[in-house]
Amino acid sequence: QVQLVESGGGVVQPGRSLRLSCAASGITFSRYGMHWVRQTPGKGLEWVALISYDGTDQYYANSVKGRFTISRDNSKNTLYLHMNSLRAEDTALYYCAKAPGGGTRVFFDAWGQGTLVTVSS
Amino acid sequence: QSVLTQPPSVSGAPGQRVTISCTGNSSNIGADSVVHWYQQLPGTAPKLLIYGYNNRPSGVPDRFSGSKSGTSASLAITGLLAEDEADYYCQSYDSSLRAYVFGGGTKVTVL
Repeated sequence: QVQLVESGGGVVQPGRSLRLSCAASGITFSRYGMHWVRQTPGKGLEWVALISYDGTDQYYANSVKGRFTISRDNSKNTLYLHMNSLRAEDTALYYCAKAPGGGTRVFFDAWGQGTLVTVSS
Repeated sequence: QSVLTQPPSVSGAPGQRVTISCTGNSSNIGADSVVHWYQQLPGTAPKLLIYGYNNRPSGVPDRFSGSKSGTSASLAITGLLAEDEADYYCQSYDSSLRAYVFGGGTKVTVL
């Protein structure tokens, strides 16, 4: 059974950095593209970033491009999201999600429980 | 404001049929980008409900079905049960934004 467990969330001041982690188990992690998706009460679900199965390709939502970096360590079955220059509007529950395919037909067939990031002074 | 538009809420009595619309444009649903649906029960993560317009993962009852027409897609729930009370989200890909996009979510209430 697939299990994705996020960690690393917390309260951080605007302009500071934070790193989220997502530990995967129950799957051959290195076979799948992985994503970060965030959720806020006001804006609903928002896709944040994608990394290919082998880590060679990364894609980002315009709202985080240049500030966030997605990475993975397949030897540790772990996905990361490095978040720099955090803004109040980055406050959200961050989910990692597994995608069985790639390209434009991506859907998310497994989700973690989420880790809460609050950006506030 | 979400790229894909869903009604904020729909409701129905037990046993009834309800539908949820998901309206996009020529850059996403109209460009033949596939639509997927998720169910989110209170306090939990989203769960894949329908993928590729009308395919159900193992364990999802056939009371749930999806369809597409033009720049819109729909999720239908037949034989509504109390356990179906949840938020439902559509998702697709937008070629103009080069991003995966979601609808704003629809809360289903069982009367």
